[in-house]
Amino acid sequence: KNQVEQSPQSLIILEGKNCTLQCNYTVSPFSNLRWYKQDTGRGPVSLTIMTFSENTKSNGRYTATLDADTKQSSLHITASQLSDSASYICVVKGNQGGKLIFGQGTELSVKP
Amino acid sequence: KAGVTQTPRYLIKTRGQQVTLSCSPISGHRSVSWYQQTPGQGLQFLFEYFSETQRNKGNFPGRFSGRQFSNSRSEMNVSTLELGDSALYLCASSLQGQGYTGELFFGEGSRLTVL
Repeated sequence: KNQVEQSPQSLIILEGKNCTLQCNYTVSPFSNLRWYKQDTGRGPVSLTIMTFSENTKSNGRYTATLDADTKQSSLHITASQLSDSASYICVVKGNQGGKLIFGQGTELSVKP
Repeated sequence: KAGVTQTPRYLIKTRGQQVTLSCSPISGHRSVSWYQQTPGQGLQFLFEYFSETQRNKGNFPGRFSGRQFSNSRSEMNVSTLELGDSALYLCASSLQGQGYTGELFFGEGSRLTVL
């Protein structure tokens, strides 16, 4: 069964600290993986997309990694800011017109 | 370029009533997908429309329906509302739809509360 599991479910960190969010998937065949950020009361916004051949991709203070062999991705946030408080959702797309499989999200809270 | 617009943003209904939500996609986008988001379930796929045709459907009862117009605007309808239908309903538009690698652009959602 195609699944996407994210951990931790929620996370509280202090402003300025780094953190890493995990996404494990069983979707096969694999096409791509996206990380979305969803601020409270808003719709999700794409942070980055990872394809099969990509290992690491950065978007400002956000760095995503992908290990297609172990079917794992991580999102690393450097020097966190209060505005990073949000839900982070991992979405995996299967190949050949496959549907999108959504993770349950990680709720990140950055405290001053 | 205007983003995805959803209306209304908030609404309160009572059990047994019906509701219609509207979504205007980004200009030029032909695919509109609908999702239900609740704290315990995350984002659940409802259905996807492309050029006025339903292309994919999630595992929701027949009380949930949708349609897409020739200008790509979409509506979803929920009939005979139940307490469990309380959720944030998100609409997402894309150029070609879920079957491709394109990004989904989400609206800000319609927050439905069923009393």
